[in-house]
Formats: sequence, structure tokens, C-alpha cells
Amino acid sequence: GENVGLHLPTLSVQEGDNSIINCAYSNSASDYFIWYKQESGKGPQFIIDIRSNMDKRQGQRVTVLLNKTVKHLSLQIAATQPGDSAVYFCAEPAGSQGNLIFGKGTKLSVKP
Amino acid sequence: KAGVTQTPRYLIKTRGQQVTLSCSPISGHRSVSWYQQTPGQGLQFLFEYFSETQRNKGNFPGRFSGRQFSNSRSEMNVSTLELGDSALYLCASSLDGGVEYSPLHFGNGTRLTVT
Repeated sequence: GENVGLHLPTLSVQEGDNSIINCAYSNSASDYFIWYKQESGKGPQFIIDIRSNMDKRQGQRVTVLLNKTVKHLSLQIAATQPGDSAVYFCAEPAGSQGNLIFGKGTKLSVKP
Repeated sequence: KAGVTQTPRYLIKTRGQQVTLSCSPISGHRSVSWYQQTPGQGLQFLFEYFSETQRNKGNFPGRFSGRQFSNSRSEMNVSTLELGDSALYLCASSLDGGVEYSPLHFGNGTRLTVT
């Protein structure tokens, strides 16, 4: 069935470096993907989304890349800051608006 | 614009009791969804409400129920609590324009501990 998973459970980067968080999905019919950031003690915070008719979308210091050929999604964070330390989830709808399937998450740690 | 508000922030209950959690969505958002988050299972979808009707339901037992009011505010109820119900319960709202997906915006959750 549909599955959204992450390649790496943890990622440690130096402050100022770029971070790349990866996500694989199995449903080739998926047409919408979302990245969330969850800080300790808080709910997931929407970062950026991308629809399947796009390969790339940029936000403030973040870029999401979608490779439909290999069913792979990545989140790139430029000039990573300590405030970026969090767990990052990719998610896709499971057929309806409010029903998202989340990956297991990648914990990003930023070393000062 | 205020974000999604969930109350209470923390709850401690004993096995067999029931609990009601409350969620106020972002103003103008008509869809409200509930999720359970645990270290072992991650984020799992419970149910979604739209215009006071349950539109979708996840794979949880009937002890988990919810409702939505005419002002889009929502509550979820868990009856006959079990130890395994200890989790962070998250509410999310979305604009739901109808045709295309719109992102969910989450509250900070209610941390439920069952002893």
C-alpha cells in the first residue's frame, strides 16, 4: 500500500552548512507532498509543499525537490541554523484532504 | 491570525476513565483532523471532520470518537482508556478549497498520560 518513508533517522550538520533530508514514497499516483518540522513540545509546523506537476519549489532557505521517476522527495535547508534543529517529516495525502500519511521522521541536529 | 488551539495541554487519567479533548481551528478553516503521535507508531490519522460530518476515519477502535460543531470547533473523546492510549493528540485544520489539497496546520497537541 501507500508508504512514505525516510532514508535516515538522524542527521547532524554544522551550523552554516546545507542540510538535505530525504524521503521515499511508494505510490506513483501521489500528486501532493508536504514537509513538516516538529520542534520539541510542539506540533508539526508546515514548511513547504509541492504538487506533482512541479520538480522543484523554493521557500525561504528551503527547497523541495521531487523526482517522480524514482519516487523520491528531498528537503534542502540552506545555511542551517541552530533553530532548524527538529524532526522533519514528509507526508502525502491518503486519498482525502485531512488524512495524511507521515514518514517516520528525520531528526536534524545542528552543531554550533 | 491565531493558529490551531488545543486544550488542555496536558492530561493525566487512569485506566477505564474517559477523556474529551478540544480543538479550535484557524479562523476560516472548515476541515479539522485528529492525529495520535507515539514514539513507536509515529503520527497516525484518527479522523477528519468537515461541516460537522465525519468525512474520513482511520484505523482506530470505536472507543475513539469525535465531533465538529457549527463554528468548526472540534472535540475528540476516548472512552475506557487503556495504557496504550498514552500519546500526544494533535489537531489540524485546513482551508479545504475543495479541488486541490491544502496543507494541514497543526496545534501543539494535548499530552495524554494514562496510568
